Amino acid sequence: DAGVTQSPTHLIKTRGQQVTLRCSPKSGHDTVSWYQQALGQGPQFIFQYYEEEERQRGNFPDRFSGHQFPNYSSELNVNALLLGDSALYLCASSLGTGWGNSPLHFGNGTRLTVT
Amino acid sequence: KNEVEQSPQNLTAQEGEFITINCSYSVGISALHWLQQHPGGGIVSLFMLSSGKKKHGRLIATINIQEKHSSLHITASHPRDSAVYICAVLDTSGSRLTFGEGTQLTVNP
Repeated sequence: DAGVTQSPTHLIKTRGQQVTLRCSPKSGHDTVSWYQQALGQGPQFIFQYYEEEERQRGNFPDRFSGHQFPNYSSELNVNALLLGDSALYLCASSLGTGWGNSPLHFGNGTRLTVT
Repeated sequence: KNEVEQSPQNLTAQEGEFITINCSYSVGISALHWLQQHPGGGIVSLFMLSSGKKKHGRLIATINIQEKHSSLHITASHPRDSAVYICAVLDTSGSRLTFGEGTQLTVNP
């Protein structure tokens, strides 16, 4: 049973560039949530995708956008990268938009470094 | 003030010691999760609590809903327990997770 998978594992970009991160949810899950975790901080909610639409959004600028595909996989896009976007980007999956009474399932994250 | 606060931020212990990590929250919740994050970044779910106490191996988690407080205990700690432990609360709608900043635990042999 495949868990949540993310790619790439590491990425180095330059200020002003654009980046795309990818996430495949755990088998049987249809909802993907994205989080940003700065060094030494807890994860911060970016947005959640369900039925190919953004359902909830945290306090992140429009430079952060996403997409969900019919197979439930998802992409996170960040435009006009800033140094402050350097972080670990985590993807979590669930069945439905609520987290329910089940454990949380996270991927191993993509570590983005902006220089 | 953060909605979820953990203490301590950093904890260093000797192998075999009993460890306690605390989590306090200020909002109504439907559940509380304890998570473990290793240096590579991946997060593993340890416990989900809505009341009482749960035990898994050397790990014990408790929650006091009235006091809005939870604790994670590790008995007979081992160097492989070294990781960041994160508390996350699920709001009453069941749709929003809020995370604490984590506790970095180092267990020395």
